[in-house]
Formats: sequence, C-alpha cells, structure tokens
Amino acid sequence: ILNVEQSPQSLHVQEGDSTNFTCSFPSSNFYALHWYRWETAKSPEALFVMTLNGDEKKKGRISATLNTKEGYSYLYIKGSQPEDSATYLCAFHMGADGLTFGKGTHLIIQP
Amino acid sequence: DTAVSQTPKYLVTQMGNDKSIKCEQNLGHDTMYWYKQDSKKFLKIMFSYNNKELIINETVPNRFSPKSPDKAHLNLHINSLELGDSAVYFCASSQGPPGQPQHFGDGTRLSIL
Repeated sequence: ILNVEQSPQSLHVQEGDSTNFTCSFPSSNFYALHWYRWETAKSPEALFVMTLNGDEKKKGRISATLNTKEGYSYLYIKGSQPEDSATYLCAFHMGADGLTFGKGTHLIIQP
Repeated sequence: DTAVSQTPKYLVTQMGNDKSIKCEQNLGHDTMYWYKQDSKKFLKIMFSYNNKELIINETVPNRFSPKSPDKAHLNLHINSLELGDSAVYFCASSQGPPGQPQHFGDGTRLSIL
C-alpha cells in the first residue's frame, strides 16, 4: 500500500505572506511526483510534474522542489493572494500504475 | 472548448439500478483514467485505459466496468448500484509516459437513494 502524506492538512495564511507545505512519498520505485491545484467546484488542475531528484519547478509565484532519495517535495507560494485559496494535492506515480494522491493541503488566504 | 468532459454532472438513482457515466477527451491523449473521490474527499484511482487496453485495475468491485469505444472515450458502467457507491467520480486523461500531467473532467456526483 502506497502512502502519500501531505502536511499540514489545512493552512490559513495572511494575504501577502509566503507559505509552503510538504508532500512525503515512498522513496523506492519512484517515477514521478505531481502537484495539482483544486479549487472548490472545479476539477484538479496540474501545476507541476517532477521526475528527477533535485528538480525545481516554478510557475509564477508558485514553485516546487523534489527530493526522491528522502521521499519529499515542497510546494512554495510567494506573496499569497486570495485567488491562491484552494486544495493542493500531490500525487505519486510509480511506473505503470496510476496516480496515488495525498489528501491535500487546504489553503485559505485571508485578506 | 472543454478538454475532458463528463456526463451527466449529477446522477441520482435507486439502489440496484445500472447506470453509466460518459467521458470524452478532445486532447488527443492516449491514456484515460477513472478516479473515485470518497467521503473523506480522497481521490483514488479505479481504472486506466491506454490505447483501448486496460493497464491497471485497482481492487474495485466487478460491478464497475470501464468501456472504451475509441481512444477519446472511456465510459464507466456500474451494475447493481449500492449505497456505498455514492461519491464523485472523475475522469482524466494524459499523453504518453506516466510522467505527464493528467487533465481532469469536472466530476460526476452520483447519489444512491
């Protein structure tokens, strides 16, 4: 059974502050680590797919890092805005299997 | 243009009925998936299809059967619906190797009375 753990489960951040949260996953049989952003009443939207140890990816104010040897990834949001409020999911891909999702970090940005 | 579309958006039906949820993608992707969002909001993989071949099949009841008439469609058929089948079902698609991002539909909320 694969366990993908995300922490914290929920997070309240003041507008303008920066924040980060964690995804931990099995370090064996790694193929890819995905991050998705999921707004209420919408479908999950892909942010990043990372495959190499040490990968760093960036999209605007959001960035992510990957450590496959120790089995964790961080997602960073710089200068949080109200539109960043969403649930952020990470998902582990172990070769031919589909994605195994974590339970997500529910982020609320307070104006 | 909706990339991954599911129909219906809502489905309310009686226990014991048979129902289908349709999924279509216009992205030209070669792999499609079905996920179930359980009562704890957890997304779990059910099936995936690659070029009309089932490549994974998680431990779901055999009352659930994916049907893919062509590369752009992966429908989910459910026989003898049970109360525990109430959930939101998401279809997704991706291109090529597993390291590509998946594109999700908006979900189908299934409610069993």
